Amino acid sequence: EIVLTQSPGTLSLSPGERATLSCRASQSVSGSYLAWYQQKPGQAPRLLIYGASSRATGIPDRFSGSGSGTEFTLTISSLEPEDFAVYYCQQYGSSPPYSFGQGTKLEIK
Amino acid sequence: QVQLQESGPGLVKPSQTLSLTCTVSGGSITTGGSYWSWIRQHPEKGLEWIGYIYYSGSTYYNPSLKSRVTISGDTSKNQFSLNLTSLTAADTAVYFCARGTWAHRDFDFWGQGTPVTVSS
Repeated sequence: EIVLTQSPGTLSLSPGERATLSCRASQSVSGSYLAWYQQKPGQAPRLLIYGASSRATGIPDRFSGSGSGTEFTLTISSLEPEDFAVYYCQQYGSSPPYSFGQGTKLEIK
Repeated sequence: QVQLQESGPGLVKPSQTLSLTCTVSGGSITTGGSYWSWIRQHPEKGLEWIGYIYYSGSTYYNPSLKSRVTISGDTSKNQFSLNLTSLTAADTAVYFCARGTWAHRDFDFWGQGTPVTVSS
C-alpha cells in the first residue's frame, strides 16, 4: 500500500501570499497518477489537479501542480479568500488502488 | 455535467447492514472508462476509498473492507449501491459516491455526501 504524507498539517497565510503544499509518497507513484483536491466545510472534495500537473476543467491558473516519483507539490500563486480550505492529494497504484493523504488545512493568518 | 446524489439512512444500529444508493444523472453508469466509486470520510479525518463498480459490472474493493462490502449497479435506474455489513461505531462517517476516470485515475465528479451514524 502506498502511503501519502502531506505537509504541513496546517498552513497559515494571508490573502495574496503564495502557498506551497507538499505530498510525499512511500513508493513511486506510477504514471504520475497523482491528483489534488480542495474541500470546504460541508462540501465534497473538488478535483483541482490530475496527472500531477494538469488543471481540471474550470480551475483557475493560480493553482499549479508539479512533481514525480515520490515528491509532489501543489502551489497557489496568490491566495484568494475562497482558497482557504483543506487540500488532499490522491494516488493511484497498488492495492488498494486509490489512497489519499491526510490533508493540509490552509487557514487565514 | 455529471451529477451524483447519495441516498440512504442517516442512522444505523451496530451489527446491522448499511445500504446506500447513488443516483447518477447527466451520464450513464454503462459508459466505458468510468469507475463508479464509494469513498468515506470519518469525522474530522481524511478520505478512505471503499470500492468501485465498472460499467461491465466488475467490482474492486479496498482489502481493508473487502469482507464486508458489496457494490452493485442498476442500469435501468442509472444507480449504483453500497452494502456494508456488520457495522460498528468505526463505520460512522460521511459517505460519498464519485466517478473515477480510467484516463487519469482520479475522481472528477462527486455527490454531496451523506452522513451515516452507527449507534444503538
